[in-house]
Amino acid sequence: DVQLVESGGDLLQPGGSLRLSCVASGFTFSSYDMHWVRQAAGKGLEWVSVIGTTSGTWYAGSVKGRFTISRENAKNSLYLQMNSLRAGDTAVYYCARGRGNYFDSWGQGTLVTVSS
Amino acid sequence: EIVLAQSPATLSLSPGERATLSCRASQSVSSSLAWYQQKPGQAPRLLIYEAYNRATGIPARFSGSGSGTDFTLTISSLEPEDFAVYYCQLRDNWQWTFGQGTKVDVK
Repeated sequence: DVQLVESGGDLLQPGGSLRLSCVASGFTFSSYDMHWVRQAAGKGLEWVSVIGTTSGTWYAGSVKGRFTISRENAKNSLYLQMNSLRAGDTAVYYCARGRGNYFDSWGQGTLVTVSS
Repeated sequence: EIVLAQSPATLSLSPGERATLSCRASQSVSSSLAWYQQKPGQAPRLLIYEAYNRATGIPARFSGSGSGTDFTLTISSLEPEDFAVYYCQLRDNWQWTFGQGTKVDVK
């Protein structure tokens, strides 16, 4: 079975940095695009970033220049380096497996809280 | 940027009733639309992809239709476990966008 497990969420102050991780199992990680999607409490889903199989990267405008997505195929791992964090970045962050136009598997999420 | 508008925001129905959820795109997206279900405290789950294809393990009571700018998710007869929030989603070049969601709750 496909499994995605996120970690790294924390409470931190505005301006801080954090690195999220997602470990994948049950499929050939290197063969899939991988995404980060976030959800603020009580709000809808917001796509954050994608990294392709050849490590091309794309970002939502709200995080471009502050967040960096990366992957380490040897460790079946996806990362999200988040810098210059703002209160508006407070959310549950999900990693999701991409299938071109859509996401077919999701992790359970990790909570990032940015507050002074 | 393509915007997705879902309606209604909330749908109050009883078990056994038919649910019809709408998703309208601001520009034509051919058939590249997906639907997800999310229950409280859980991750989203893929229901429908490419407008009308059911994902693995999704019951036949869920169906998707539409193309261009207007799409519909239909639940033919609501089961107790179907009360949840539903999101539509599309890809526009290298950006992925979600609708704001429709909550299906118990009448």
